Amino acid sequence: EVQLVESGGGLVKPGGSLRLSCAASGFSFSGYSMIWVRQAPGEGLEWLSYISSSSNAIYYADSVKGRFTISRDDARSSLYLQMSSLRAEDTAVYYCARDMNPYFDALTGHAFDIWGQGSMVTVSS
Amino acid sequence: DFPLTQSPSFLSASVGDRVTITCRASQDIRNYLAWYQQRPGKAPKLLIFGASTLQSGVSSRFSGSASGTEFTLTISSLQPEDFATYYCQQVDTNPFAFGPGTKVDIK
Repeated sequence: EVQLVESGGGLVKPGGSLRLSCAASGFSFSGYSMIWVRQAPGEGLEWLSYISSSSNAIYYADSVKGRFTISRDDARSSLYLQMSSLRAEDTAVYYCARDMNPYFDALTGHAFDIWGQGSMVTVSS
Repeated sequence: DFPLTQSPSFLSASVGDRVTITCRASQDIRNYLAWYQQRPGKAPKLLIFGASTLQSGVSSRFSGSASGTEFTLTISSLQPEDFATYYCQQVDTNPFAFGPGTKVDIK
């Protein structure tokens, strides 16, 4: 079964750090670009970061740039999000998701077809 | 950045109704737009990509269309399982921003 499973969430104090993991199974992880998305309680989806299959293209939302770092370990079929200088407004469910096409499709562009179940991060003193 | 707007932000409809949700991009995104459905407490589910291509396994009552920078998601006959929040996402250029969402509720 193709799936993504996030882990590493929890309660952290403001200014603290946390590392989220996203374990992939059922597909050849190394060939796919990945993203992190979060959703604050009662709010909409917020795209956070993108990493290409070769890690040569990495992008961040302005809201997390300089504080969060996306990375991947293809040998472990895992995606990571290192979060530092956490703030109360970072409280959210964090999802990882897979870009459905191993190679960019010029007709349809990107699309994210496989999502993890989400990992809750709470930033509070 | 390529901000997206969605309308309406909320709609109340009945089972069997035809429902249309609109997403507008601030500039040309070359039809690189995806639609997602999210039920409460669940992860988003991809419905449509490339503005109009139905994702495998998704019911054919969902369809997408595009006209310039205006994109439409249509549900031809609303079913009980369709009551959810719908998001568009531009996938032309990073940041791959989402629209603010449209909540579809039971009338």
